[in-house]
Amino acid sequence: EMQLVESGGGLVQPGGSLRLSCAASGFNLSNYSMSWVRQAPGKGLEWISFISSGSTTIYYADSVEGRFTISRDNAKKSLFLQMNSLRAEDTAVYYCAREVLRGLSWFDPWGQGTLVTVSS
Amino acid sequence: IVMTQSPDSLAVSLGERATITCKSSQSVLYSSNNKNYLAWYQQKPGHPPKLLFYWASTRQSGVPDRFSGSGSGTDFTLTISSLQAEDVALYYCQQYYTTPRTFGQGTKVEIK
Repeated sequence: EMQLVESGGGLVQPGGSLRLSCAASGFNLSNYSMSWVRQAPGKGLEWISFISSGSTTIYYADSVEGRFTISRDNAKKSLFLQMNSLRAEDTAVYYCAREVLRGLSWFDPWGQGTLVTVSS
Repeated sequence: IVMTQSPDSLAVSLGERATITCKSSQSVLYSSNNKNYLAWYQQKPGHPPKLLFYWASTRQSGVPDRFSGSGSGTDFTLTISSLQAEDVALYYCQQYYTTPRTFGQGTKVEIK
């Protein structure tokens, strides 16, 4: 069974940093691009970052460009999101998700999510 | 691409039909392969989104056949032919035609 498990969320002050991790199992991570998608409390879904299977192509949403960095370690079957200069509006559940197609795709599966709260 | 769903919420009696529409601000039909780059998800409280359809109308394995997806270009529909209690959820459309991938604002389906 394919599974994604996020970790690293928590409470952080505005301007602070946090690093999220996503552990993949049940499929060969090195064959797939991956994305992070977030959902603010009571709000809709927002895609924020994409990384290709070999890390050669990376995209960010304008809302996080320059503050967040996506990376991966295929040998360790893991995806990461380094979040710097955090703002209150970054408060959300952060999901990692597998890109099904080689290029831009739908997402399946999704992890259970990790909550990031930015507050003083 | 802006994705707009309607309605924002709807209440339907058990066994009745529920219909959600999704409009994209530009076509998500790729002419070279005649495929619509549109997916649908279901999200229940406290859970991540679950894929229902991709290519606008291809049902994901395990999704009950009371769910159907249709449409092309800029106008799409998700239909639940006979609403069951377990279908109470938020439903989202998503385009993957271009980056950034964008989602509709969601439609909440409840029991009347």
